[in-house]
Order: sequence, then C-alpha cells, then structure tokens
Amino acid sequence: TQLLEQSPQFLSIQEGENLTVYCNSSSVFSSLQWYRQEPGEGPVLLVTVVTGGEVKKLKRLTFQFGDARKDSSLHITAAQPGDTGLYLCAGKSGSARQLTFGSGTQLTVLP
Amino acid sequence: EPEVTQTPSHQVTQMGQEVILRCVPISNHLYFYWYRQILGQKVEFLVSFYNNEISEKSEIFDDQFSVERPDGSNFTLKIRSTKLEDSAMYFCASSTWRGETQYFGPGTRLLVL
Repeated sequence: TQLLEQSPQFLSIQEGENLTVYCNSSSVFSSLQWYRQEPGEGPVLLVTVVTGGEVKKLKRLTFQFGDARKDSSLHITAAQPGDTGLYLCAGKSGSARQLTFGSGTQLTVLP
Repeated sequence: EPEVTQTPSHQVTQMGQEVILRCVPISNHLYFYWYRQILGQKVEFLVSFYNNEISEKSEIFDDQFSVERPDGSNFTLKIRSTKLEDSAMYFCASSTWRGETQYFGPGTRLLVL
C-alpha cells in the first residue's frame, strides 16, 4: 500500500510570510499532482510534476518533485489570505491510474 | 474552460435505498474515475473506467457499487443498497488518454440516514 504523508497537517501564518509544505513517501511515483480544496468542493488542480528534480512555478507557488520521485514540496512566497485552503498532494505510480492522496495541509493566512 | 460536472450536489437517502450519482466528464477525456471522501478523511480511490469497462477498482468498490456510461456524455456511480458508512462526498474525475492529470468535479454530498 502506497502512502503519502503530508506535513505540516495545519499551518497558520501571517500575510506576507513564506511557507513550505511537504509530501513524502517511501514509494516511487510516476507523477504527482498538487490540488487545492475548499470546504464542500472538489480538489482543484494546481500542478502536475512528472520528472525527478522538476521545478514548476505558478505565480507565487513553487513546486518541486524530488530527484527520486518519492517526495515533493510546495513553497508559497509572500502568502496572502486568498491562499487559505486545504492543499493536497496525490501520486500515481507505475501503470496504475488511480491516485493516492495525502491527508492534506490546512493553510490559514491571517491578514 | 472545460470542467467536470456532477449532479446532484446533495443527496439524502434512507439506508437500504439505491442511489445513482451522475457525472459529465470533460468531453475529450477517455478515462473516468470515482473517488470518495468521508468527512475529515483522505480522498480515496474507488474505480477507474476506460473503453466501457472497469480498468481498476479498490477494495471499497464491492458488489454494492457499479459504474456505467449509459450514453456518450454521462458517467454514473450506482450504490445498490446504501449503508450508513456510505455517507461521504463522492467525486468524479476524468483524464486524457495519457492520464497524468485528473480533473475533479465539485462532488456530490451523500448522506445516508
């Protein structure tokens, strides 16, 4: 059974601060996706990373896939209250198409 | 921008009743999925569907569950005899033939009483 561990589980910061959330596994993933989920809604895709060592930027968000494709991080620069939400990582391994989700990081950015 | 849609947004049913949850995947996508999320828990995979048949399913997806693509646009999840523990958000997702990225619908909140 593949597991994705996300840390921290909860993060509360002030507007303007930087933060990093982590997604770790002992398993290798062929791709990994980051989603953001609002209460009562579906996960909204932020990014997909496929290549080990890959770095992708989405405005103030920087995503990195570990060289061994077992871990990933999401870094937010100068966080804003609009960044508040549940951030989920989800991985796909081998030829399987099912996604394994982490438990999420609940981010709160205070004005 | 194309998106996955789901109906109904909320469904309340009595234990033992059948429910059908509906999804319209993104039009040029070929793979379709159902996931569920029990309140406060992780999103869990149920089943994937391609070329009119199930390609993968989890242990959760037992004989009480079935999926169907009754026409060219809809993708349905049927729960034959609902149990209290089936109460959850059910998400439909779809992806292209490459399947690297799955796009999720807004979910159906199912409450079994």
